Amino acid sequence: GDSVTQMEGPVTLSEEAFLTINCTYTATGYPSLFWYVQYPGEGLQLLLKATKADDKGSNKGFEATYRKETTSFHLEKGSVQVSDSAVYFCALTEGQKLVFGQGTRLTINP
Amino acid sequence: DGGITQSPKYLFRKEGQNVTLSCEQNLNHDAMYWYRQDPGQGLRLIYYSQIVNDFQKGDIAEGYSVSREKKESFPLTVTSAQKNPTAFYLCASSIGAGQVDEQYFGPGTRLTVT
Repeated sequence: GDSVTQMEGPVTLSEEAFLTINCTYTATGYPSLFWYVQYPGEGLQLLLKATKADDKGSNKGFEATYRKETTSFHLEKGSVQVSDSAVYFCALTEGQKLVFGQGTRLTINP
Repeated sequence: DGGITQSPKYLFRKEGQNVTLSCEQNLNHDAMYWYRQDPGQGLRLIYYSQIVNDFQKGDIAEGYSVSREKKESFPLTVTSAQKNPTAFYLCASSIGAGQVDEQYFGPGTRLTVT
């Protein structure tokens, strides 16, 4: 089946640093791609999405570009804040289901 | 406000007992999902339903059961056959009806079985 691989965590950065969280995928078709964020003790919230190759999803200063040639959807933010500390999940659609990566825990220190 | 509610937030049970987790949505979504999350791991799909009175097994359905008698509700029963039931359970919904779209998640229920 289809799969998603995220960079191993945890990731620790200082406030205002540049963030990249890598995500690569394996899929037989042309899935939609998503980034979700989970704050402690809560459910997941959609952060951004892209539905076709070369689409760029963006929200709250985060962005990710659907790269078919490298099967990647890396998450980036130019200047992180303490409030960005959370677990980030990359996901793709497989039929009517979502397939998730294992999550990357991000901690931002003031 | 539209959304997904899960209750209770914390649930404690003794080993050998069945327990039912509630999930309700008022988003008018056709599709609903149940996931299990273990510490430091991603989400694993337990069951999903695309339409009322129909549901399919996900990747880890053994020891769980569901029903979908109403569009708004998709309760999950963790049976005594589930060998390691302690986990964080997340319910989600999406527009469904053949459309591929993002899923909306509830706040989760943390189940502890001792």
